[in-house]
Amino acid sequence: GGIITQTPKFLIGQEGQKLTLKCQQNFNHDTMYWYRQDSGKGLRLIYYSITENDLQKGDLSEGYDASREKKSSFSLTVTSAQKNEMAVFLCASSRTGSNTEVFFGKGTRLTVV
Amino acid sequence: TQTVSQSDAHVTVFEGDSVELRCNYSYGGSIYLSWYIQHHGRGLQFLLKYYSGNPVVQGVNGFKAEFSKSDSSFHLRKASVHWSDSAVYFCAGCVGDNSKLIWGLGTSLVVNP
Repeated sequence: GGIITQTPKFLIGQEGQKLTLKCQQNFNHDTMYWYRQDSGKGLRLIYYSITENDLQKGDLSEGYDASREKKSSFSLTVTSAQKNEMAVFLCASSRTGSNTEVFFGKGTRLTVV
Repeated sequence: TQTVSQSDAHVTVFEGDSVELRCNYSYGGSIYLSWYIQHHGRGLQFLLKYYSGNPVVQGVNGFKAEFSKSDSSFHLRKASVHWSDSAVYFCAGCVGDNSKLIWGLGTSLVVNP
């Protein structure tokens, strides 16, 4: 088994601030993802990475940067927080060739004041 | 364009009842489908997946799902629900094992005692 650890669990930022969310996995998975979850809107893919130093834009990448510094870690930066950013950000990972079976962290809840 | 839809935003049942959570997809070719569960305040957990072969797939905790190409469906069922099954259930699909997952909006299941 393995685990995905997201830090922090709760993040409060000010409008316009640059904020970074971190994610670590010990599954040894190649592919990692960042999703945004808004109430009633399901999951929207922000960025994903299929290997170390790789980055692929998802459907919601504008306003975000991401970095895959090493295989086990994947960070997400909100470049300029907006009040409508309040959401839960979920990090996930999967084995190459097994994208239907994805493992998730517990999420970071972002509040912008 | 591939889509995954969950027609019921909310389902309420009593403990011991059977339940069916509906998932339909639109895609003309082969599609891989999966179900996930999200308890309140937690990340998503994988329940089961369908690739090919037997259209009835058994998952954890008594859940099973049945793929139907004629109905473009992958409904999730449980014969006798427990209060701990109260959660949001997401259906997801992808058209190739290395392609992005497409998510439904989720169905909130409430199991009353």
